[in-house]
Amino acid sequence: GAVVSQHPSWVICKSGTSVKIECRSLDFQATTMFWYRQFPKQSLMLMATSNEGSKATYEQGVEKDKFLINHASLTLSTLTVTSAHPEDSSFYICSARDTLAGVIEQFFGPGTRLTVL
Amino acid sequence: GDSVTQMEGPVTLSEEAFLTINCTYTATGYPSLFWYVQYPGEGLQLLLKATKADDKGSNKGFEATYRKETTSFHLEKGSVQVSDSAVYFCALNSGYSTLTFGKGTMLLVSP
Repeated sequence: GAVVSQHPSWVICKSGTSVKIECRSLDFQATTMFWYRQFPKQSLMLMATSNEGSKATYEQGVEKDKFLINHASLTLSTLTVTSAHPEDSSFYICSARDTLAGVIEQFFGPGTRLTVL
Repeated sequence: GDSVTQMEGPVTLSEEAFLTINCTYTATGYPSLFWYVQYPGEGLQLLLKATKADDKGSNKGFEATYRKETTSFHLEKGSVQVSDSAVYFCALNSGYSTLTFGKGTMLLVSP
């Protein structure tokens, strides 16, 4: 149990285009999901906290208009990188918390590698 | 605020050697502590956790003990394998908020 999937696992796009990344909790409900960004050989940087049915909470320094987050259901959150540029190339990882279990443990997706040309 | 400090890597060991990766933390209250492992090109997997002082988390031969007096949660394994090569992250959670991660420690195990 407690599986989180991400789609796509990797994507290459041209500069200026938008890319959507999906994060799904497959066997549990998650009112809260988290989006992280990881640069090579570095730790995870929290970008935003995604709450089902409400606006996401962004960390300081993260552009909310560039990284659009939608959490429309208890099992799906999406991150859209708008007008992507090469500096947005990174590994994006989501995580979800099993709300009904009432635990604080987060379950992580396998990540999405974004390369912007 | 909360913070986690890990020893810098890479840690390079021969197969069957003993492993210790140090982790210390600063937090308000009584956090839960975690070790996550990240294999190349993959997301994070929970390795083990401990939710209160003196708890010992263990999994796949790895273990770590929640030491409140030294604010530490060191990861140990008695005999590492090549397949243990990965990046290990220590993390804490002070409540129903997000995780605070250490910078990660790369482990390289050679045959």
